[in-house]
Amino acid sequence: KAGVTQTPRYLIKTRGQQVTLSCSPISGHRSVSWYQQTPGQGLQFLFEYFSETQRNKGNFPGRFSGRQFSNSRSEMNVSTLELGDSALYLCASSLRRAVSGANVLTFGAGSRLTVL
Amino acid sequence: DQQVKQNSPSLSVQEGRISILNCDYTNSMFDYFLWYKKYPAEGPTFLISISSIKDKNEDGRFTVFLNKSAKHLSLHIVPSQPGDSAVYFCAARDEGGAQKLVFGQGTRLTINP
Repeated sequence: KAGVTQTPRYLIKTRGQQVTLSCSPISGHRSVSWYQQTPGQGLQFLFEYFSETQRNKGNFPGRFSGRQFSNSRSEMNVSTLELGDSALYLCASSLRRAVSGANVLTFGAGSRLTVL
Repeated sequence: DQQVKQNSPSLSVQEGRISILNCDYTNSMFDYFLWYKKYPAEGPTFLISISSIKDKNEDGRFTVFLNKSAKHLSLHIVPSQPGDSAVYFCAARDEGGAQKLVFGQGTRLTINP
């Protein structure tokens, strides 16, 4: 069973540019979440999508956006890149949204973005 | 506002001994706590979880303890093995936040032979 696939794995952009990252969840998983990992900050929640709808959003500026397609694949976009956006962006999928119980997230390997 | 804190950035333990990783939280609405392990160039992988209604959960060499009154949890690894060397993240789920997990900053565990 294929895991969560993120592309590209590495990319370098310059300030002011925009970037789109892609995530293919585990087959059958309908919930996709995005996290940003920076040194010393741990993982910070960006947003969650389920059934093509954003269900939850973290405390990030509007430059960060995302979407989910009917096949559950998801993309996130960052516009007008800043130096501080350099980070590892992690996508995670789960079978469904948890009503109760710890619905464990399965993470991809991430997309490492460097902004120069 | 760091709701989940791992105050030790790194920990070094001898192979065969016990590793204890600590985590503190501030939000009493958290209903589930999870530990994830992360190797370089890989995504975090789920290790073990505990519900807020329990105080202990075991899975093989891994045991998580939860002290709700102190808002503290810990992960015990016994015995520690070289393959356990990784970054460990503590995470908590807000009962109102569905899939949203709040993570600590991580602790880098190094197991020395």
